[in-house]
Amino acid sequence: KAGVTQTPRYLIKTRGQQVTLSCSPISGHRSVSWYQQTPGQGLQFLFEYFSETQRNKGNFPGRFSGRQFSNSRSEMNVSTLELGDSALYLCASSLDRIGELFFGEGSRLTVL
Amino acid sequence: DAKTTQPPSMDCAEGRAANLPCNHSTISGNEYVYWYRQIHSQGPQYIIHGLKNNETNEMASLIITEDRKSSTLILPHATLRDTAVYYCIVRPHGGLTGGGNKLTFGTGTQLKVEL
Repeated sequence: KAGVTQTPRYLIKTRGQQVTLSCSPISGHRSVSWYQQTPGQGLQFLFEYFSETQRNKGNFPGRFSGRQFSNSRSEMNVSTLELGDSALYLCASSLDRIGELFFGEGSRLTVL
Repeated sequence: DAKTTQPPSMDCAEGRAANLPCNHSTISGNEYVYWYRQIHSQGPQYIIHGLKNNETNEMASLIITEDRKSSTLILPHATLRDTAVYYCIVRPHGGLTGGGNKLTFGTGTQLKVEL
């Protein structure tokens, strides 16, 4: 079956712009989580959505937001981009809120 | 969530067993031990998880000490494709403090498998 799909895979933005990243979970999975990976901070949890509701949020500023749609697809948005937002953004899905997490290949964001 | 401690790097000869240790001395009773790995520039991949009994699947074995304060991931016959960063994570299941899919990744162990 198809894995977790993230789009776009690569993108370049400039400071002050905003960006929207998309994640399509594995069919039947209802939980979607987002992570940020940078060389300095490693893998850090952003937020988790389940049944269209945010269930957990990491320690990130309000510029980072997300949502989940009724078909479990999810988007995350970063407004007023800063250079430090350059990172690999990973989406992961699971059937419910425990058990195995399946990660996508990520969206690599470069902010100039 | 309990924190984990892993060696930053390890080397292993191809075909030999790779034994990756993890300390989680503050683990709570409802916390499971999970292992993921991340091959360069890819998303993390689930390997195995367990509570207190040893576990084995087609990828690896997980040995958890009786006091649950440490564990070892064993790749029985390492290949070059096993070169990756391996993350040991403790994760609560259920209850009021169940963390859902909020995983706390440490810095992991960079395993290098060589010929």
